[in-house]
Amino acid sequence: EAGVAQSPRYKIIEKRQSVAFWCNPISGHATLYWYQQILGQGPKLLIQFQNNGVVDDSQLPKDRFSAERLKGVDSTLKIQPAKLEDSAVYLCASSLDLAGGGYNEQFFGPGTRLTVL
Amino acid sequence: AQSVTQPDIHITVSEGASLELRCNYSYGATPYLFWYVQSPGQGLQLLLKYFSGDTLVQGIKGFEAEFKRSQSSFNLRKPSVHWSDAAEYFCAVGIYNQGGKLIFGQGTELSVKP
Repeated sequence: EAGVAQSPRYKIIEKRQSVAFWCNPISGHATLYWYQQILGQGPKLLIQFQNNGVVDDSQLPKDRFSAERLKGVDSTLKIQPAKLEDSAVYLCASSLDLAGGGYNEQFFGPGTRLTVL
Repeated sequence: AQSVTQPDIHITVSEGASLELRCNYSYGATPYLFWYVQSPGQGLQLLLKYFSGDTLVQGIKGFEAEFKRSQSSFNLRKPSVHWSDAAEYFCAVGIYNQGGKLIFGQGTELSVKP
């Protein structure tokens, strides 16, 4: 079974530029998460999708970050304009449908390491 | 508010020695608890999880963890560490009624001496 795919793996940009990250979840997983992991910290949830609807985006800096999940499969996270403090690893995770009840394990992709100069 | 604390930022153990990584959580209901490992440049790999039942949980790579409700702890253990265990370890609590999101601790970096 293929895992969660992310691209690019690394990205270096200047501040005020824009950048986009892509995530392809495990086939059949309805729930998709984007986490931000700053160096020396644990991952922090930015946004969560159930199919193509947003479940939680309370921690997403909406003045500069946006995310979409068209057709309930792939997802794109965008930063525009980037700031120095956005330097981090951006992790995508997916899990089975929430509607089934219980708690479903999240599977993580390899992440995208963003450096903002 | 829900939170996870990993008191040790960095731990060094000798190869073959035993290991215990500490994790304390704050959560008002029965927690779903996880330990993940992250090697440099890699994503997070699940080591083990606790949902309910037996408080001693076995995971992959010889790891185990014990859930102690009275101490709000979920410490990770391994009886004999291998050099390949050097990595960053994260404890997390799953928030069931908030879409299943994970709240992570800040991580413990494990170094292994030969």
